[in-house]
Amino acid sequence: AQKITQTQPGMFVQEKEAVTLDCTYDTSDQSYGLFWYKQPSSGEMIFLIYQGSYDEQNATEGRYSLNFQKARKSANLVISASQLGDSAMYFCAMREGYSGGGADGLTFGKGTHLIIQP
Amino acid sequence: DVKVTQSSRYLVKRTGEKVFLECVQDMDHENMFWYRQDPGLGLRLIYFSYDVKMKEKGDIPEGYSVSREKKERFSLILESASTNQTSMYLCASSGLQLNTEAFFGQGTRLTVV
Repeated sequence: AQKITQTQPGMFVQEKEAVTLDCTYDTSDQSYGLFWYKQPSSGEMIFLIYQGSYDEQNATEGRYSLNFQKARKSANLVISASQLGDSAMYFCAMREGYSGGGADGLTFGKGTHLIIQP
Repeated sequence: DVKVTQSSRYLVKRTGEKVFLECVQDMDHENMFWYRQDPGLGLRLIYFSYDVKMKEKGDIPEGYSVSREKKERFSLILESASTNQTSMYLCASSGLQLNTEAFFGQGTRLTVV
């Protein structure tokens, strides 16, 4: 079974609109972390935002926020006031923790290709 | 500026060749990872290492092996390259803790002909 599901292979959004990229995850662990990465056409992987399973507040980083709904196992990325430079692939990823500390490798979803139109 | 450096940006190899992909990080990270990225499939974990000489299989280890003799260096080895291993390979490193982000190299586009 897929651990990370991103149901939107591609999205077109008008510049300055807000964007929500969907991500659902599957884990039986109590301790885990959720990450979002951006990959522009240049290919580099850019870390955007992190949410821990025990964090009570939704994470925010500038124009990025994470809508974390633990009971629904969803961790959607919200980009406010989208810009042309936001056009890229976006990946949701999860890392599961070990009870004694430390963590496993990142498991990625298949990604969403976001295109911002002027 | 933190860095994960992969030895080659592009590689073309012949079927059956032994291929080495090298990755070096300068952040003293315990964890290092190798992923392959294919269109429509996202990033899939091949192997990771949490310490020198330690390794764990990821989701798709078949046809690959790894080596970590020094903390800063993690090598991916294709023992006998095949055309279905044509892909983008990404190396990453991170600290041990759950909330630490992974830093990625620039990727190696490998073509096996």
